[in-house]
Amino acid sequence: DQQVKQNSPSLSVQEGRISILNCDYTNSMFDYFLWYKKYPAEGPTFLISISSIKDKNEDGRFTVFLNKSAKHLSLHIVPSQPGDSAVYFCAASGDSGGSNYKLTFGKGTLLTVNP
Amino acid sequence: KAGVTQTPRYLIKTRGQQVTLSCSPISGHRSVSWYQQTPGQGLQFLFEYFSETQRNKGNFPGRFSGRQFSNSRSEMNVSTLELGDSALYLCASSLYYKGQGITIGELFFGEGSRLTVL
Repeated sequence: DQQVKQNSPSLSVQEGRISILNCDYTNSMFDYFLWYKKYPAEGPTFLISISSIKDKNEDGRFTVFLNKSAKHLSLHIVPSQPGDSAVYFCAASGDSGGSNYKLTFGKGTLLTVNP
Repeated sequence: KAGVTQTPRYLIKTRGQQVTLSCSPISGHRSVSWYQQTPGQGLQFLFEYFSETQRNKGNFPGRFSGRQFSNSRSEMNVSTLELGDSALYLCASSLYYKGQGITIGELFFGEGSRLTVL
């Protein structure tokens, strides 16, 4: 069963517009959520995170929103830039007992920002 | 500050063989995790090591094993390779804190070892 779901395999937006990437989760034990970005031939890099005690976290052009009741989070990128074109992974942690470093990832969304 | 280093970057094996992948974490990082990335399944957690001890293990068969050395470097081994083991194997390191104020779960990934099983 897929506990973290990114239902959109791909998303295409125009430069300067907003990109919204969505993620749903099913495990109520998750209490920390992260977004990673991955370029081809590189490992994923950490982008932004949010604790379950918050509903919003902002870092520059990137904002993550968390709706715990809906078990839904989203990543907003404003304004979108061509360099943002990458695969974005949603990840969650908190259900691993003694370890904080077991992350459950979604399958990713390929974002393409067109000039 | 050097990043996470994985070797080899690319390798080709045949079914039934075994393979060992190596990971050197960021200096000072004591936790090392391994993930398998495939097009159909995304990133899946294999196992995590801290202070030479396996702290957590994902849902993979026993053919997948790992270890961590006293210098925090880690290796993973896959025995009796199957075609479905073809994947990108990613290693990630992280700091371990017992205190507060640390971004839990922030992993620093290497570039991965791309394994092709023929």
